[in-house]
Amino acid sequence: GAVVSQHPSWVICKSGTSVKIECRSLDFQATTMFWYRQFPKQSLMLMATSNEGSKATYEQGVEKDKFLINHASLTLSTLTVTSAHPEDSSFYICSVERASGRPDTQYFGPGTRLTVL
Amino acid sequence: SQQGEEDPQALSIQEGENATMNCSYKTSINNLQWYRQNSGRGLVHLILIRSNEREKHSGRLRVTLDTSKKSSSLLITASRAADTASYFCATVWAGGGNKLTFGTGTQLKVEL
Repeated sequence: GAVVSQHPSWVICKSGTSVKIECRSLDFQATTMFWYRQFPKQSLMLMATSNEGSKATYEQGVEKDKFLINHASLTLSTLTVTSAHPEDSSFYICSVERASGRPDTQYFGPGTRLTVL
Repeated sequence: SQQGEEDPQALSIQEGENATMNCSYKTSINNLQWYRQNSGRGLVHLILIRSNEREKHSGRLRVTLDTSKKSSSLLITASRAADTASYFCATVWAGGGNKLTFGTGTQLKVEL
């Protein structure tokens, strides 16, 4: 399967700081990337859809000023959690959709565990 | 919420037994997908079934889809300890692009 990387794999930060998470598609160009959040023992909730060269589309209830998404190239999307607070502690997972080929399948990154103290 | 529900929430079986997980969803769909997640890891795509399909097989996996009942099931035959993981169904609803809506998940534990 396709390889999607996330960096960092885990991060611990102090309350009030900002954290940037990278999602890279290593095998193919991705016009669309998705960002999910998963709380312990819960399911994945879609936060936003990241489109290369345009503004991200956020799901209802997700603050776009708090979760900044930049999809600057066809292989990289970043999620910045601004002014993080303990309630933002979660597992953040990205997925990518191929620019060509089968549109149905998303390929997921390994996730980034964020802990805000 | 459009989130689907899965049952059981947790399932514990012995190696060699079959495991069945069920998923119910709320909207009309284009397709339904099943994913596996090992603890604290990313997701692995297992199988996709389209709205016009009723059954699909892949190795030890068998998926059924009943669009009239808005439900799907995942059967893992001859389970192995390595199958221990969380399993999620995810739907792509008609008119929603390719956005995935995940179910609540089933935690499967296969004991030796």
